[in-house]
Amino acid sequence: DTEVTQTPKHLVMGMTNKKSLKCEQHMGHRAMYWYKQKAKKPPELMFVYSYEKLSINESVPSRFSPECPNSSLLNLHLHALQPEDSALYLCASSQETGVPEQFFGPGTRLTVL
Amino acid sequence: AQSVTQLDSHVSVSEGTPVLLRCNYSSSYSPSLFWYVQHPNKGLQLLLKYTSAATLVKGINGFEAEFKKSETSFHLTKPSAHMSDAAEYFCVVSATGFQKLVFGTGTRLLVSP
Repeated sequence: DTEVTQTPKHLVMGMTNKKSLKCEQHMGHRAMYWYKQKAKKPPELMFVYSYEKLSINESVPSRFSPECPNSSLLNLHLHALQPEDSALYLCASSQETGVPEQFFGPGTRLTVL
Repeated sequence: AQSVTQLDSHVSVSEGTPVLLRCNYSSSYSPSLFWYVQHPNKGLQLLLKYTSAATLVKGINGFEAEFKKSETSFHLTKPSAHMSDAAEYFCVVSATGFQKLVFGTGTRLLVSP
């Protein structure tokens, strides 16, 4: 299985809501990533998990809270978001060592009202 | 430090004609180079990768790229464009052992009948 899955595909939330994005991979990868992508821009790295430990936080606001419950799952908890947080959120995974090619999921399109 | 420059923001071709998307890179390390494609409202799909083996790299869907160290380039080509090739293409650089990918700004490929 060479697929990264993400749920939900679309999410609309108010600024006071709490929601979560989910990502799953079964390729045995031990590194997982969250990216944010605005329209007509490349993806921007948010977080990196290596062996279920947070290894990189790209100074992301605390209203985004990542979680890696096990080696196959990655969550992104959302709370008190702003309209400018509306974007496509992409999850990716890769081997921990060797060539760092990343495999991306289809993304969650988030709209904050 | 690593960086990548995609020389064209938009490229327009007719169906059946060759495609050339240009990418120059800069890296302090022996680079790994990738081309990813993104169709509208989709995730990123890996087209091909260069990892210091053969300098001419073949990818999926008839795409290939040539690594030229003397020119610090990694241009993407395809002999004959298909309508389904219309998408955004990202040139990406990284290095073995590094988890961060450095994305170019993207090239939008338009294919007309």
